[in-house]
Amino acid sequence: DAGVTQSPTHLIKTRGQQVTLRCSPKSGHDTVSWYQQALGQGPQFIFQYYEEEERQRGNFPDRFSGHQFPNYSSELNVNALLLGDSALYLCASSLSRGRGETQYFGPGTRLLVL
Amino acid sequence: DAKTTQPNSMESNEEEPVHLPCNHSTISGTDYIHWYRQLPSQGPEYVIHGLTSNVNNRMASLAIAEDRKSSTLILHRATLRDAAVYYCILTLMRNTPLVFGKGTRLSVIA
Repeated sequence: DAGVTQSPTHLIKTRGQQVTLRCSPKSGHDTVSWYQQALGQGPQFIFQYYEEEERQRGNFPDRFSGHQFPNYSSELNVNALLLGDSALYLCASSLSRGRGETQYFGPGTRLLVL
Repeated sequence: DAKTTQPNSMESNEEEPVHLPCNHSTISGTDYIHWYRQLPSQGPEYVIHGLTSNVNNRMASLAIAEDRKSSTLILHRATLRDAAVYYCILTLMRNTPLVFGKGTRLSVIA
């Protein structure tokens, strides 16, 4: 089992640019959540996707958008990058059916905005 | 969301037990207590969760106070690999977003 995978591992962008991060969930999982982790802080919830729809959203601006594909993989898009968007972006997958209580996290994508 | 309070940091000797406390005085009757940990340069990793009764798994034990206002994560024999930030999180079940605080940074001394 490959677990949750994310790409790329690292990324450098400049202010105003756009970025797309990718996530493949753990095998059999159908729900994907995205989190942002600033240096020295705990992760903050951005949004969650299930059945290709955004199901829940945290306190993040519209510049942050996402997508889920029929194979349950997901993308996180950030437009008009700001210096403050520099962070570790984490993807977590889980199962909607059954108890579904455990979220499995990927290793993250570290984004640096210059 | 109900809040949790954890010490910023703790230190333990290798092969000694570690008790990581968490206060959650505003917990509701339907909140589960989850623990995740984050090793350096990795994403968070599920450790254990419980509702009312104490729980054990291969990684740790979770002791929950009778009034549920506090809990303790117990690592029975700390190893160097257990050095991480440990997060105590309250959540409803079924894919509720996790609300992370700053957690407790555990250092393990050889």
